[in-house]
Amino acid sequence: DADVTQTPRNRITKTGKRIMLECSQTKGHDRMYWYRQDPGLGLRLIYYSFDVKDINKGEISDGYSVSRQAQAKFSLSLESAIPNQTALYFCATSDLGTGSNEQFFGPGTRLTVL
Amino acid sequence: LAKTTQPISMDSYEGQEVNITCSHNNIATNDYITWYQQFPSQGPRFIIQGYKTKVTNEVASLFIPADRKSSTLSLPRVSLSDTAVYYCLEAYKYIFGTGTRLKVLA
Repeated sequence: DADVTQTPRNRITKTGKRIMLECSQTKGHDRMYWYRQDPGLGLRLIYYSFDVKDINKGEISDGYSVSRQAQAKFSLSLESAIPNQTALYFCATSDLGTGSNEQFFGPGTRLTVL
Repeated sequence: LAKTTQPISMDSYEGQEVNITCSHNNIATNDYITWYQQFPSQGPRFIIQGYKTKVTNEVASLFIPADRKSSTLSLPRVSLSDTAVYYCLEAYKYIFGTGTRLKVLA
C-alpha cells in the first residue's frame, strides 16, 4: 500500500553493525507494527504500538528495539546485527476507530546481514 | 500463544472454487478471524474478516461455525492470479502462522 512506506527497501550490512529501518504512514492510523518474514515462513511480530506513548513486545523482540517518534513514524533498530536477522521486514498499520482489524502493509525491507 | 493451523499447500484449476480451512482451537471470545493474501516479495493484503457465521465480499466468503474453532475461506472461480499464500489470523493475537500456498493451474 503506497500509504505505508519503508526505507530502505534493501540493505546489506555486516555482523555487529547497528541498523535502523524506518516506516512512515500517511493513513492517520494509530496502530503500527513490525514483522519479520523468513523464506518460506509466515510473518512473526517483533513489536507493536497502539499510539505514540505505547510500545509492546511481540513474539520475537530479542535483539530489536523500536521508537515511535510520531503517530506517522515507527522505526525498528537492530542494535548489533547478526546473520540470523537476515529476513524480509514489514511494517503495518491499522486503525482502531473504523472497527475493522485490517492491517495495511508496507512494501518490505530486505535485510541481509553478512 | 497457540498458532492457527492450516494446510501447507493446495493445488486447484482455473474456474474452480477453493476452500481453505484454518483451525482456531484457542481463539478468544472477543477476537475476530481475518484472512490475508500474500504474493512473493510483497506485504500481505487483507481479504476478509468475520466473527461468526458467514461473511461475503466482492472477492471471497468466510464461513465461521458457531463454536468458532475453525474458519473456511472460500474463493469462487479462482484464476491464475490467485496463486499466492493465504494466511488466517486471529486479529488480536497478530500471529500469522505459516500460511497455505495455493497454486492455480491452467
